[in-house]
Order: sequence, then C-alpha cells, then structure tokens
Amino acid sequence: DAGVTQSPTHLIKTRGQQVTLRCSPKSGHDTVSWYQQALGQGPQFIFQYYEEEERQRGNFPDRFSGHQFPNYSSELNVNALLLGDSALYLCASSLAQTFLLYGYTFGSGTRLTVV
Amino acid sequence: AQKITQTQPGMFVQEKEAVTLDCTYDTSDPSYGLFWYKQPSSGEMIFLIYQGSYDQQNATEGRYSLNFQKARKSANLVISASQLGDSAMYFCAMREGGNTGFQKLVFGTGTRLLVSP
Repeated sequence: DAGVTQSPTHLIKTRGQQVTLRCSPKSGHDTVSWYQQALGQGPQFIFQYYEEEERQRGNFPDRFSGHQFPNYSSELNVNALLLGDSALYLCASSLAQTFLLYGYTFGSGTRLTVV
Repeated sequence: AQKITQTQPGMFVQEKEAVTLDCTYDTSDPSYGLFWYKQPSSGEMIFLIYQGSYDQQNATEGRYSLNFQKARKSANLVISASQLGDSAMYFCAMREGGNTGFQKLVFGTGTRLLVSP
C-alpha cells in the first residue's frame, strides 16, 4: 500500500522564479493538506484541498496556490519566490471520516532552496 | 487560537532507558485530539500515537505511551526502552476544527531526541 508520494525531493530555484510541487495521496485518501516547515520549526499549515476545492487556508500570501485533481493528487505552486520560502514542504493526506482518529499520513517532503 | 508548547529543544537518553518528552497545550474547545509524530532526518512525519480529549485511558502503542493530564493540559510522550533508531525530532500536535468538516493540525516546535549507545 503506497503512502504519500511527493516530487521532486529536492529543488533549487532563484528568487523571483515560480515552482510547482506535486503530491500523490495515500490510496483511499480524499483530502490533501500542504504544510511548510522552516528549518528548526514545526510544520505550518498552508491550505487543504477536498473535492478539488480549497477548503481552508492558513496565513500564507496569494503567491501560494494549489490544485487538486479528480484522482485526488495535488499540486502546490509558489510564484515570485523569496529567500524566505526556502523550507521543507510536506504533503499530508487523510480520509475525511477517519481524520479524527488517525490524523494525516505525510510524505517525505520536497526540500526547496531559494538562492 | 489553539497552541502547542514543547519546552525541550533537545533531550539525551541512553539506549534501553525510558524518556519523557513534554507537551502542553491550550484550547477552549471541549473536544480535541492530540497527536505525536516522529520526524527522522529523511523528513517524513511518522504517526506515533493519538489521544482524544474524552478518552478515559491514556493511549499506548507498543513502546509509546501518552501521559495525558487533562487538568494540567499536558500530553507527554513516554518512550520506554529507547533504541538507537528513536533518534529523531518529535512533534506534538493538536487537532483544530472542532466538529466541523474541516480539520487541521497545529504543531509545536519539536524536541530533538538523541539516543546514545
């Protein structure tokens, strides 16, 4: 049973560029959430997708956008990259009915470095 | 807003000994859930244990147990018989969203555990 798959694993971008990160949720999961984890910090909620719509958004600017596809996979897009966007981006999937008990299944993340 | 506090940036323990990682929380919701995750250097967050606010007993999962003290708003993780593979970052998190359709986790800043031979 495949878990959450994220690609790419590592990425180096230049300030001002745009980046797209991809996530395939665990089989059977219908909800995808994205988190940003800066070095030495806990993950911070970016947004969550359910039924192809953004359900909720954290305190992140509009430069951060996303999409969920009919197969539940998801993309995170970041425009006009800043140095401060350098972080580990974690994708987490869940099933709406069981989140209360089991929380998320996380991927290994995409480490983004902005230079 | 809900908040998770982990006051131990780092902990050291010898192999085979027990260790307690502290977590306190703040919420006004009567219904909530607390999670512990392990994050090795690979980056993946691994679910360890869950405690619901209405659970009568402390949660246990193998070598992991959760010392849940509701009145003190603490949910400490106890790892018994530490192993070298337990060396990692450990995060305490709280489920936020109440009984709404939307749920997310709020994380603490983590504790780095180092297990020595």
